[in-house]
Amino acid sequence: AQSVAQPEDQVNVAEGNPLTVKCTYSVSGNPYLFWYVQYPNRGLQFLLKYITGDNLVKGSYGFEAEFNKSQTSFHLKKPSALVSDSALYFCAVRARTGTASKLTFGTGTRLQVTL
Amino acid sequence: IAGITQAPTSQILAAGRRMTLRCTQDMRHNAMYWYRQDLGLGLRLIHYSNTAGTTGKGEVPDGYSVSRANTDDFPLTLASAVPSQTSVYFCASSERTGGETDTQYFGPGTRLTVL
Repeated sequence: AQSVAQPEDQVNVAEGNPLTVKCTYSVSGNPYLFWYVQYPNRGLQFLLKYITGDNLVKGSYGFEAEFNKSQTSFHLKKPSALVSDSALYFCAVRARTGTASKLTFGTGTRLQVTL
Repeated sequence: IAGITQAPTSQILAAGRRMTLRCTQDMRHNAMYWYRQDLGLGLRLIHYSNTAGTTGKGEVPDGYSVSRANTDDFPLTLASAVPSQTSVYFCASSERTGGETDTQYFGPGTRLTVL
């Protein structure tokens, strides 16, 4: 069975500081990894994904994530946080199961960026 | 391009009543999905459809049914609502059938309260 763990319910960062939101995964075979962001009362918005190739993936709004196969991690990072980055962040992993392509989500990490 | 629309935005429903949540996409995506989002549990897959005319069960299908008569629409029906079905429901779509590298795009959600 595949799974995703986001060990921190909340991450607090001061504006201008770098941020990291952690994600580890467990899946049989090659992992396809995704990050989504959810603003209050909104649906999930796609940020970035890792399929293959370069372990450092760049996405929307200045976010990036690093795939680390040995540590089974896919941490989300940004060099300089903005107050507007405050939101709920979800990591997700996908693997093929039968004829369906099941996307499994973590429980989410709330990012709070303060002035 | 609207992407994915969901209706209603929110609904309060008496237990035992029947309810259909509507989802329409205009991206001509083959695959569509229904998730529920509950605090501390992340998003869980209820049902999916790889292409028009086919549907499948996700990890929490009990009490829900879906249909996929055409490419654009994927309604979710609660035949007899129960309070445990109080949740925020998200519809999503992705371009290809079984495309495990495809990004899923989400609608704005329906907040359902069952009393």
